[in-house]
Amino acid sequence: AQKITQTQPGMFVQEKEAVTLDCTYDTSDQSYGLFWYKQPSSGEMIFLIYQGSYDEQNATEGRYSLNFQKARKSANLVISASQLGDSAMYFCAMREGLSSGSRLTFGEGTQLTVNP
Amino acid sequence: GAVVSQHPSWVICKSGTSVKIECRSLDFQATTMFWYRQFPKQSLMLMATSNEGSKATYEQGVEKDKFLINHASLTLSTLTVTSAHPEDSSFYICSARDLDRTLSNQPQHFGDGTRLSIL
Repeated sequence: AQKITQTQPGMFVQEKEAVTLDCTYDTSDQSYGLFWYKQPSSGEMIFLIYQGSYDEQNATEGRYSLNFQKARKSANLVISASQLGDSAMYFCAMREGLSSGSRLTFGEGTQLTVNP
Repeated sequence: GAVVSQHPSWVICKSGTSVKIECRSLDFQATTMFWYRQFPKQSLMLMATSNEGSKATYEQGVEKDKFLINHASLTLSTLTVTSAHPEDSSFYICSARDLDRTLSNQPQHFGDGTRLSIL
């Protein structure tokens, strides 16, 4: 069964506007972590933001925020004030369990294009 | 911040050649490293988990004799694609976790990946 689902293969946004990238997950664990990574065309994986299953507040990191709705099992990434450099592939990932050594399961990704 | 170095970044070689890819943690120790494979426009698929001092754990469907993994030290894991064929052409990327940072919110640190092209 698909554990991480990203339903938007591609998204377009105008520069300076906000955009939401969707991510839903499936797990029976009570303890888990959700991550968002950015992958530019050059290929490197850039960590953006983390949300723990026990975190009561939505995570924020600069222009990135995570809209965590635990009951709906969704962890959408919100990018505010989009920049041209935000154009990239974005992956949502889940780590089940509390150990930082546990494996990550990735979604299919969303290709974001920021238009000038 | 934590850095993972992956080498080489690009390999083009003939069919039948064996190719070794190195993954090094530069400023931290890593008992566990992960090897992923990524086809164009697709997600990262975990191939195997590399454990320092012991055998790697391979995911279902990954041929362990084809993709040899060695994790001989706390800072180095290698993936060798043996007798590579065109269908092995892909983007391979490793990640590692910091032994000293066991909090659940610590992300895995990724290398920059290796683009492998088999002619």
